[in-house]
Amino acid sequence: DAKTTQPNSMESNEEEPVHLPCNHSTISGTDYIHWYRQLPSQGPEYVIHGLTSNVNNRMASLAIAEDRKSSTLILHRATLRDAAVYYCIGGSNYKLTFGKGTLLTVNP
Amino acid sequence: DVKVTQSSRYLVKRTGEKVFLECVQDMDHENMFWYRQDPGLGLRLIYFSYDVKMKEKGDIPEGYSVSREKKERFSLILESASTNQTSMYLCASKSPGPITDTQYFGPGTRLTVL
Repeated sequence: DAKTTQPNSMESNEEEPVHLPCNHSTISGTDYIHWYRQLPSQGPEYVIHGLTSNVNNRMASLAIAEDRKSSTLILHRATLRDAAVYYCIGGSNYKLTFGKGTLLTVNP
Repeated sequence: DVKVTQSSRYLVKRTGEKVFLECVQDMDHENMFWYRQDPGLGLRLIYFSYDVKMKEKGDIPEGYSVSREKKERFSLILESASTNQTSMYLCASKSPGPITDTQYFGPGTRLTVL
């Protein structure tokens, strides 16, 4: 599994976009980049994943650098319900290795 | 709606007790996982199972065992609980296939060993 590096914490205001960065310089060519988030007192939940191209879904967008050494999770309009720990994971098999993640605080 | 349930949200046990944590999924998934989560350490994989009666050690299997007798149920066993096993335990499941398949997590069991 690729080692990933994320900031420990970030802060945002409600209704504003949030860009959560992740470095994964050791990622192999076949490793997908996954993002999960963990809301308070809940188990992690899937957010988005990608390989090379940028990806969009109803929750977020994922922008992957051309060299694949970094990626950014984009929440287009943060809400209070988006306050959570966000995990960036690089994996190439059935096992996902979760790091410490980024604690996102959303201010009203 | 997909669902992973865990037998207890909170559990308190004494040192030396045998502890069973149960996980049930209703998605007919082959793969199931047990993680523990500790402050500052993130989630760490204890064991996983890719089919009934099949198991593989994760990153921190010491002090734990698992049982998978039925496809929908995956049990984590602490043979003799110790205080350093006080933690949040999370179960997950996914369908087999490429890594892109999503892992679905249960709500977690917060275990305290006194």
